[in-house]
Amino acid sequence: DIQMTQSPSSVSASVGDRVTITCRASQYISNWLAWYQQKPGKAPNLLIYAASSLQSGVPSRFSGSGSGTDFTLTISSLQPEDFATYYCQQANTFPLTFGGGTKMEIK
Amino acid sequence: EVQLVESGGGLVKPGGSLRLSCAASGFTFSDAWMSWVRQAPGKGLEWVGRIKSKTDGGTIDYVAPVKGRFIISRDDSKTTLFLQMNSLKIEDTAVYYCTTEVTPGYNWFDPWGQGTLVTVSS
Repeated sequence: DIQMTQSPSSVSASVGDRVTITCRASQYISNWLAWYQQKPGKAPNLLIYAASSLQSGVPSRFSGSGSGTDFTLTISSLQPEDFATYYCQQANTFPLTFGGGTKMEIK
Repeated sequence: EVQLVESGGGLVKPGGSLRLSCAASGFTFSDAWMSWVRQAPGKGLEWVGRIKSKTDGGTIDYVAPVKGRFIISRDDSKTTLFLQMNSLKIEDTAVYYCTTEVTPGYNWFDPWGQGTLVTVSS
């Protein structure tokens, strides 16, 4: 199975900060990567697919980049509603696998 | 509006069975490739399995820990997805979400249901 490793596992940041989360795949996955946001008690919400494509309705402060094995999710200016947990997911090979999550906390 | 609503969760003893349902609306369910994803309390997300549309062969794939115990099926006439869970183990305790691929075959998911909690405990 492809292992997805996210770092950091938690990040403390302030409103307005630029924040970057990293996801590394244990094997080459081209651009078959998605990012999700999950708030407590809620289902995940798709933010980015194909490594860098913004899902419809998602604010443009979210962006994704990377290819191969190394990927990043960047929030250009953190808003209060962005404090949540973020997961990457490889979509290249079954079984589909998720990273362990990055919890964004208010500083 | 696209909507997925899970039901059927609850408390079950180890070794028991449970059947989850996911009622879909707002899109052409028969064309959709549907998945189940679970999340153990306080943990991350785990993909459980997927069923393709019948027109695309209806193939079903599972993650290894549930293979041989869980069965995914669909009733396109009722626009409902099912997850039959047998021989349940304590480690199957989780919120179970149903979800669909944005574009069939592209393996990323939107939208998701609200989830249903399955607790396996004696």
